[in-house]
Amino acid sequence: SQTIHQWPATLVQPVGSPLSLECTVEGTSNPNLYWYRQAAGRGLQLLFYSVGIGQISSEVPQNLSASRPQDRQFILSSKKLLLSDSGFYLCAWSVPGRNEQFFGPGTRLTVL
Amino acid sequence: AQTVTQSQPEMSVQEAETVTLSCTYDTSESNYYLFWYKQPPSRQMILVIRQEAYKQQNATENRFSVNFQKAAKSFSLKISDSQLGDTAMYFCAFSNSGNTPLVFGKGTRLSVIA
Repeated sequence: SQTIHQWPATLVQPVGSPLSLECTVEGTSNPNLYWYRQAAGRGLQLLFYSVGIGQISSEVPQNLSASRPQDRQFILSSKKLLLSDSGFYLCAWSVPGRNEQFFGPGTRLTVL
Repeated sequence: AQTVTQSQPEMSVQEAETVTLSCTYDTSESNYYLFWYKQPPSRQMILVIRQEAYKQQNATENRFSVNFQKAAKSFSLKISDSQLGDTAMYFCAFSNSGNTPLVFGKGTRLSVIA
C-alpha cells in the first residue's frame, strides 16, 4: 500500500532563516506531487505541483520554492522565511490521470 | 477559472441526526471530478467521497452520500447517523480531467454534539 511521509511534524524558525520541508511517497512510482499551505482556520492554497522529476509548476509567486530531486521526493524550501510563511504545510500525491489526492500528516511551521 | 464555494462556515448537528453540507462550483467543463475531504482536529486530510461528473448516480460511502446536481452545479454532502468522530472541517474540491490540481472550497466546520 502507498504511504506518504512528511517531516518535520513541527518547526519553529526565526524570520530570515532558511527552510526545508521534505515529503516522500512509498509504494507507487511516478506520482503527481503537490504542496499546499493552510493558514489558521482557512482553506488550502496550492503552492506547487509536479508531474515528474525536475518538473515544477508554481501557483503562487512568493519566497518559497520546490524541487523534486527523485521520483518520490518533493522538497519545499525558502532562503529567508517571512512571518507570513507561518502555517500548516501539506504534501499530497495522486496517481497520474486520476484526480483524487492523498495527503501527508502535515508540518506546522511557526515563524517568529 | 474554476471556483468552489462553501456557504456554511460552521454547522452543528446532534449525535445520530442527519446533516447536509452545501457546495457549489463554477466551471465551463463538461467532464470533471468532485470530492469531499474531512480534516479532523489532527489536521490529517482524509478523502471521504468522490463523484465523477459523467455519472448520474450519486456516490455513497457508508453513512456519507452526495446529492450531485450537475445543471445547478451543486454537490452537497449528507452525513447520516452523525457520530462524535465526524466532528471536523469538511472541504469540497473540484478537479478537471487529467493531471490538474484540486481547487478547494474554504471549508465548513462541523460539530457533532452529544
